[in-house]
Amino acid sequence: AQKVTQAQTEISVVEKEDVTLDCVYETRDTTYYLFWYKQPPSGELVFLIRRNSFDEQNEISGRYSWNFQKSTSSFNFTITASQVVDSAVYFCALSEASNDMRFGAGTRLTVKP
Amino acid sequence: KAGVTQTPRYLIKTRGQQVTLSCSPISGHRSVSWYQQTPGQGLQFLFEYFSETQRNKGNFPGRFSGRQFSNSRSEMNVSTLELGDSALYLCASSYPSGGRNEQFFGPGTRLTVL
Repeated sequence: AQKVTQAQTEISVVEKEDVTLDCVYETRDTTYYLFWYKQPPSGELVFLIRRNSFDEQNEISGRYSWNFQKSTSSFNFTITASQVVDSAVYFCALSEASNDMRFGAGTRLTVKP
Repeated sequence: KAGVTQTPRYLIKTRGQQVTLSCSPISGHRSVSWYQQTPGQGLQFLFEYFSETQRNKGNFPGRFSGRQFSNSRSEMNVSTLELGDSALYLCASSYPSGGRNEQFFGPGTRLTVL
């Protein structure tokens, strides 16, 4: 069965600090997809990144970077030089062949000025 | 392109009533998925529709149902409402189909059951 664990419930940092959000997943499939979404206070989930199980390359997009490691079943998300606008709840999600998406519990990030 | 729209944004109902929520996907997207978000259970998958057919269903009772129209718009219905159905209901669309592709979410419908 698929499962996503985001052990960090809440993280608080000061602006310009780097912060890493952890995501550990469980799956029996060899083909699967991993996602990160951001949910700002407005409530709408915003897509950040998608990775398939055959692509272990790390990704960098501006201040955001993702580290996918199949050996540890982890897909961690790092924000460099955090800003107040990064404050949100971040969700990691996993999808197998069945198409439904299983979300982690989310990590609430607060960036203080 | 316009994003995913959901109506209504807020809804208050009483126990035992039924409710219908609507979702219009991004133009060209044929897959619509529904999720329930609550503080206790988090984000849970309800069902996915593709080309007017339900392709996948989560672990929810039969009181939760949905449908999709030929223009890809989708509705979700909850009958005999219970207090525990109070939640944010999110709709997401994707092309061509659900979980394997990035899903684009609407703003949600906040349902309160009194």
